[in-house]
Amino acid sequence: GEDVEQSLFLSVREGDSSVINCTYTDSSSTYLYWYKQEPGAGLQLLTYIFSNMDMKQDQRLTVLLNKKDKHLSLRIADTQTGDSAIYFCAERGTGGGNKLTFGTGTQLKVEL
Amino acid sequence: DAGVIQSPRHEVTEMGQEVTLRCKPISGHDYLFWYRQTMMRGLELLIYFNNNVPIDDSGMPEDRFSAKMPNASFSTLKIQPSEPRDSAVYFCASTIPAGGGYTFGSGTRLTVV
Repeated sequence: GEDVEQSLFLSVREGDSSVINCTYTDSSSTYLYWYKQEPGAGLQLLTYIFSNMDMKQDQRLTVLLNKKDKHLSLRIADTQTGDSAIYFCAERGTGGGNKLTFGTGTQLKVEL
Repeated sequence: DAGVIQSPRHEVTEMGQEVTLRCKPISGHDYLFWYRQTMMRGLELLIYFNNNVPIDDSGMPEDRFSAKMPNASFSTLKIQPSEPRDSAVYFCASTIPAGGGYTFGSGTRLTVV
């Protein structure tokens, strides 16, 4: 079945860039997503990329997709303390049912 | 749009009791998903519905869990009888097929003592 993997933890200093990485196994993925979860809250959709794109930029967020290597990354420029959260990568395959497969989440800690 | 609404936000119950979690999806969203989140297992898909019909319930842990969607604006997840290992945050999410991703509710934190 589909599998999505992420490193568990990332620590950066305020003002630096953060890069959160994700690998997936489903070569038929159509869309790939990044979600943010703050403590005590649900998952909030940050951005997504269609599988025929290599890059998508949205303000401080840059998503890079390497479809050949099945690697997705999220870069957050000028990381702020408010960016501290868990970030989930998710992929949607063509298996039908509109199902997303989520990664384990990466906890981003922003230090002053 | 109020988003996906879940109730209650927190539930504490004793082992053996019945628990009912509720979800109101976004109007017009025809897919509804129930997830469970724990530290040990992360996000697990329990069941999802399309146009109020259950499509895949393979993630439901056991017969103690059941879910219904009597109409397009309401779904319930019931646990009977509840056990301490059911303690988790339960999320509901809804979406349309166009690929824009799910909208999640704020979750119900269930504690079974």
